[in-house]
Amino acid sequence: EAGVAQSPRYKIIEKRQSVAFWCNPISGHATLYWYQQILGQGPKLLIQFQNNGVVDDSQLPKDRFSAERLKGVDSTLKIQPAKLEDSAVYLCASSSTAQSSYNEQFFGPGTRLTVL
Amino acid sequence: AQTVTQSQPEMSVQEAETVTLSCTYDTSESDYYLFWYKQPPSRQMILVIRQEAYKQQNATENRFSVNFQKAAKSFSLKISDSQLGDAAMYFCAFYSGGSNYKLTFGKGTLLTVNP
Repeated sequence: EAGVAQSPRYKIIEKRQSVAFWCNPISGHATLYWYQQILGQGPKLLIQFQNNGVVDDSQLPKDRFSAERLKGVDSTLKIQPAKLEDSAVYLCASSSTAQSSYNEQFFGPGTRLTVL
Repeated sequence: AQTVTQSQPEMSVQEAETVTLSCTYDTSESDYYLFWYKQPPSRQMILVIRQEAYKQQNATENRFSVNFQKAAKSFSLKISDSQLGDAAMYFCAFYSGGSNYKLTFGKGTLLTVNP
């Protein structure tokens, strides 16, 4: 079974530029998560999708971050414009369902973003 | 809000020895899950072990075991017979309905295994 795929693996941009990250979850997984992991910290959830609907985006900085999951499969996370403090690893994860019980989240390899 | 605290930023162990990583958490929930994740330099988070709060028996997965103290809100990970491949960041994580079914992670412990 193929795992969660993410691209690119690395991205370096100047502040105020835009950037987009792509995630392809495990086939059949209805729930998709985007996490931000700043150096020296644990991952923090930015947004959670159930199929193509948003379940939780309470920690997503909506003035500059956006995410979509068209057709309930792939997802794209965008930052526009980027700030220095956005430098982090962006992890995507997926699980077979959510709510009422735990289903293991499987993580992708992440995208390391450096904002100069 | 739930919080997860890992008080050991770094730990080291000799190959073949045993090491224990500490984790405490704060919650008012009675039904929840606790996890230990491993993150090697490749950055991919790997689930090491999981504990359901309603289970009194401590979880075990091969060389990995936990000491779950519910009343003390403590959840430590013991790695026996440490191997070079165990070197990684280890994150303790909490999950419950009260946290909107999302994982809350600690800041992590960097484990070094010395040959």
